[in-house]
Amino acid sequence: DAGVIQSPRHEVTEMGQEVTLRCKPISGHNSLFWYRQTMMRGLELLIYFNNNVPIDDSGMPEDRFSAKMPNASFSTLKIQPSEPRDSAVYFCASCSGGWAEAFFGQGTRLTVV
Amino acid sequence: GENVEQHPSTLSVQEGDSAVIKCTYSDSASNYFPWYKQELGKGPQLIIDIRSNVGEKKDQRIAVTLNKTAKHFSLHITETQPEDSAVYFCAAFISGNTPLVFGKGTRLSVIA
Repeated sequence: DAGVIQSPRHEVTEMGQEVTLRCKPISGHNSLFWYRQTMMRGLELLIYFNNNVPIDDSGMPEDRFSAKMPNASFSTLKIQPSEPRDSAVYFCASCSGGWAEAFFGQGTRLTVV
Repeated sequence: GENVEQHPSTLSVQEGDSAVIKCTYSDSASNYFPWYKQELGKGPQLIIDIRSNVGEKKDQRIAVTLNKTAKHFSLHITETQPEDSAVYFCAAFISGNTPLVFGKGTRLSVIA
């Protein structure tokens, strides 16, 4: 398996534009997590899915953020409209549940100018 | 909810010395404690973990200890090498379909 795959690796966009980050979890994993990493806040959990169903989105900072998981092999995190303070590295991770190891993707570095 | 505190935020050691990173957690129901290493430009990767029924676990130069009574756990790296330089995260987990809660990370620098 190629691991958790995120795209794009880097995204530079202008303030006000819509940004869509993509994630393909490891096949067979039933839990998927979106994290945001900044120097100030470290790794923050934004939202997680279990069996494609959003379980807890209390970490989503604002209504500008939304996430979907239409099937077991794909998830998106969308920011609309984007703002400079959204600049961060966004990670997707997946695991098979329980005490299993969470595997992280390489991350998407988002810069909003 | 669970809260994980991690110290120190930065740590510099001479090559060959030991490094210790400490974490505390708030929810006594947490029962799984993994440690992740994040190298530059990469996502965090699991390096070692410990479950609540174990007090200590060792894997070559890395060891973790857990004190459930005090609700703290630590990562010990012995004979540090330059390639150990990275950001290390501790995390806590309550069994079930709940996510990992991470500490804020420790940036370890091993000076040759």
